[in-house]
Parts: sequence; structure tokens; C-alpha cells
Amino acid sequence: DAGVTQSPTHLIKTRGQQVTLRCSPKSGHDTVSWYQQALGQGPQFIFQYYEEEERQRGNFPDRFSGHQFPNYSSELNVNALLLGDSALYLCASSLAGNSPLHFGNGTRLTVT
Amino acid sequence: EDQVTQSPEALRLQEGESSSLNCSYTVSGLRGLFWYRQDPGKGPEFLFTLYSAGEEKEKERLKATLTKKESFLHITAPKPEDSATYLCAVQALIQGAQKLVFGQGTRLTINP
Repeated sequence: DAGVTQSPTHLIKTRGQQVTLRCSPKSGHDTVSWYQQALGQGPQFIFQYYEEEERQRGNFPDRFSGHQFPNYSSELNVNALLLGDSALYLCASSLAGNSPLHFGNGTRLTVT
Repeated sequence: EDQVTQSPEALRLQEGESSSLNCSYTVSGLRGLFWYRQDPGKGPEFLFTLYSAGEEKEKERLKATLTKKESFLHITAPKPEDSATYLCAVQALIQGAQKLVFGQGTRLTINP
């Protein structure tokens, strides 16, 4: 049973560029959440997708956007990258409701 | 403001030396408290969910407990492979939406 998979694992971008990160949820899960984790910090909630719609959003600017596809996979897009966007981006999947999140191993984004 | 605070930030123990990690929270409408383990370069791995004060869960050398204001993760006779960052997260109803709020984690090192 495949868990949550994310691609790519590492990415280096230049300030001002745009990036797309991808996530496939755990089999049977229908809800995808994205988190940003800075070094030495806990994950910070970006947004959550369910039934192809953004259902909740954390305190992140509109430069962060996402999408969920009919097969439940998801993308996170970040425009106009800033140096401060450098972080580990985690995707987590769950069943709608109160079920625990299952995380992928993340994409390490470095903005230079 | 909803907050989750973990202490200590870092903890070094000798193999076999038992201890406890603390997670204190101030949230309204608590729907659940989660403990995760995170190894370097990996995503968080789900350990436990606790829903009500007085509840306890156990897994191998780990036991999680919950009160109305805090949770403890007790580690008994730890081994070097228990070294990791332990994250606590609370699921709360915030402005009509369920959100998961993480603490900053406790970095646990077990020396052989």
C-alpha cells in the first residue's frame, strides 16, 4: 500500500521564479493538505483540498495556490518566489473528517 | 490565540533513561491531539491520537496521556533508535473550520 508520495524531493529556484510541487495521496484518502516547515520549526498549515476545492487556508499570501485533481492528487504552486519561501513543503492526506494526517517525505525547496 | 507549545526544545538522554515530553495547548473547540515522530529529512510519522482528558495510548516504549491543558509523551527505557523530533498537534474548530496546529517539536537524542 503506497503512502503519500511527493515530487520532486529537492528543488533549487531563483528569487522571482515560480514552482510547482506535486503530491499523490495515500490509497483510499480523499483530502490533501499542504504544510510549510522551516528548519527547526513545526509544520505551518497552508491549505487543504477536498472534492477538488480549497476548503481551508492558513495565513499564507495569494502567491501560494493549489489544485486537486479528480484522482485526488494535488499540486502546490508558488509564484514570485522569495528567499523566505525556502523550506520543506509537506503534503498530507487523510479521509474527510477527523482522521489523522499521513505525511509524505516532503519537497526541500531552496530559493537563491 | 490558539497555541501549541512543546517543552523542552531539545532533550539528551542516556539509553535506558526514561523521561517525558510536554505539549501544552490553548485552543477552543479541541477535536483531537496528535503525536508525530519526524526523522531528519523525512515527513512526520503518525504515532497517536487522543480525544479526551484522561485518555492514554501506548506503543512500544511510548505512552501518550492527555489532560485538559496538556499532553505528555512518556518514553520508557529509550533506545538510540528512538532519537527523532517529536511533534504535537491539536485539531481545533477555528472560525468554523477544522485546523491542525503544530508545536515546534522536541528534538530527542538517545545516547548509547
